[in-house]
Amino acid sequence: QLQLQESGPGLVKPSETLSLTCTVSGGSISSSSYYWGWIRQPPGKGLEWIGSIYYSGSTYYNPSLKSRVTISVDTSKNQFSLKLSSVTAADTAVYYCARLYLGFDIWGQGTMVTVSS
Amino acid sequence: QSVLTQPPSASGTPGQRVTISCSGSSSNIGSNYVYWYQQLPGTAPKLLIYRNNQRPSGVPDRFSGSKSGTSASLAISGLRSEDEADYYCAAWDDSLSGPVVFGGGTKLTVL
Repeated sequence: QLQLQESGPGLVKPSETLSLTCTVSGGSISSSSYYWGWIRQPPGKGLEWIGSIYYSGSTYYNPSLKSRVTISVDTSKNQFSLKLSSVTAADTAVYYCARLYLGFDIWGQGTMVTVSS
Repeated sequence: QSVLTQPPSASGTPGQRVTISCSGSSSNIGSNYVYWYQQLPGTAPKLLIYRNNQRPSGVPDRFSGSKSGTSASLAISGLRSEDEADYYCAAWDDSLSGPVVFGGGTKLTVL
C-alpha cells in the first residue's frame, strides 16, 4: 500500500533554510487524482497546514508562511520537497507529509526538526 | 489563534456518547466540506471523517460527523478507552486564511 516517508536534518540553525523530502512508495506521485502536502505540529500544539503541490508543479501555500516556503516535486524520484527559509525557534515542530485526496488520507510518520544554534 | 474553534478538552466514560464541536465562518465551514482527524499519542494524525459525514474504510461507525451552517460536530458513541486522543477539524477556506485551515484540537479523555 502507499507509504510516505519524511527525511532531512533534525537540527537547523536560526536564519538558515529547513529542507525536507517526502518519498512516496507503493504508488505514483504522478497520479492525477491527488495533491501532496506538508503539515507541521509544534511541540504540544496543534496542526498547521504549510502547503500543497500537484504532480505538475502547481502549488498553493499557507498565506502566513508563503514568503518563506517553497514546495517542489520530482516525479522521476517519486518525491516532493519542502524548503522553509529564515527559520526561527518558532519553526521547531514535527513535520508531516501527506497525500491530499478526500482530506489528508495518508500520512508519513513525521520528522522532528529543531531550530537551534 | 486557529481559524476554526474547538473546545480544548472533552471527556466521557466508557460507553458514553460524546460530541466535539468545531466553529468556523462562511468562508470555510459555511461553504466547504469539513474533515476530522484523530491523533493518538505519539502518532501521526489519521483521517476520521471526510466531506462532513463520510467515513473512510476501516473507521468504525461509532464515529459520525455532521455540519450545520458555520459549525460542525464529531460524535463518538460507545466510547472506548482507545478513543482517548486529540481530535482536529479542518476545512477548505475561501478567504486569505486558506485554503486549508485546522482547528486548534480537542483533547478527549476517557475517564
